[in-house]
Amino acid sequence: GAGVSQSPSNKVTEKGKDVELRCDPISGHTALYWYRQSLGQGLEFLIYFQGNSAPDKSGLPSDRFSAERTGGSVSTLTIQRTQQEDSAVYLCASSLGGQGGTANYGYTFGSGTRLTVV
Amino acid sequence: ILNVEQSPQSLHVQEGDSTNFTCSFPSSNFYALHWYRWETAKSPEALFVMTLNGDEKKKGRISATLNTKEGYSYLYIKGSQPEDSATYLCAFFRSNDYKLSFGAGTTVTVRA
Repeated sequence: GAGVSQSPSNKVTEKGKDVELRCDPISGHTALYWYRQSLGQGLEFLIYFQGNSAPDKSGLPSDRFSAERTGGSVSTLTIQRTQQEDSAVYLCASSLGGQGGTANYGYTFGSGTRLTVV
Repeated sequence: ILNVEQSPQSLHVQEGDSTNFTCSFPSSNFYALHWYRWETAKSPEALFVMTLNGDEKKKGRISATLNTKEGYSYLYIKGSQPEDSATYLCAFFRSNDYKLSFGAGTTVTVRA
């Protein structure tokens, strides 16, 4: 597509429920990233996918968080048993990938999903 | 410096005034420094990608400089306009890494 698409744009969920956030990256971008921004905080890295390689999950805050990327394209971030501290804006970004692609051309971000856990 | 730090956290500017703010980053393993502008209800948008020490980039009234040896970058806004109101994020890319590490941002509010 022309840009990175995320859905839903807003999600309000009850504590303890599971949620799924979707990201559709730019066609041809092999690298896909998930970040989140909690209130008053900077962008926190969550997970990184590069092509068919095993994802870097080092930023996932707990085992309630998981993500997958199907067919090297669409990615889904799943949060199980949501807690109030999960409330944040979840941003997806894609890039050309590889060290040079990302470093020299940067990320293209989606518009984010604002998750509110009540 | 171990992480990316931005200062100030926020600032208010009168329309027409110029301003600048700082991004500090680790000086070792430098590969690239990025600036993004994040307007409310929109996606962060790349402003500059800087890779060379002493580099200066300009886009309209906004410009940036880079000092990789001392680990800092300045972003300047000349003649601020209300549409410049946004959070400006800088991000550091290490030579042994594959992802950007972001600062917490500087939120600029331009008052008409």
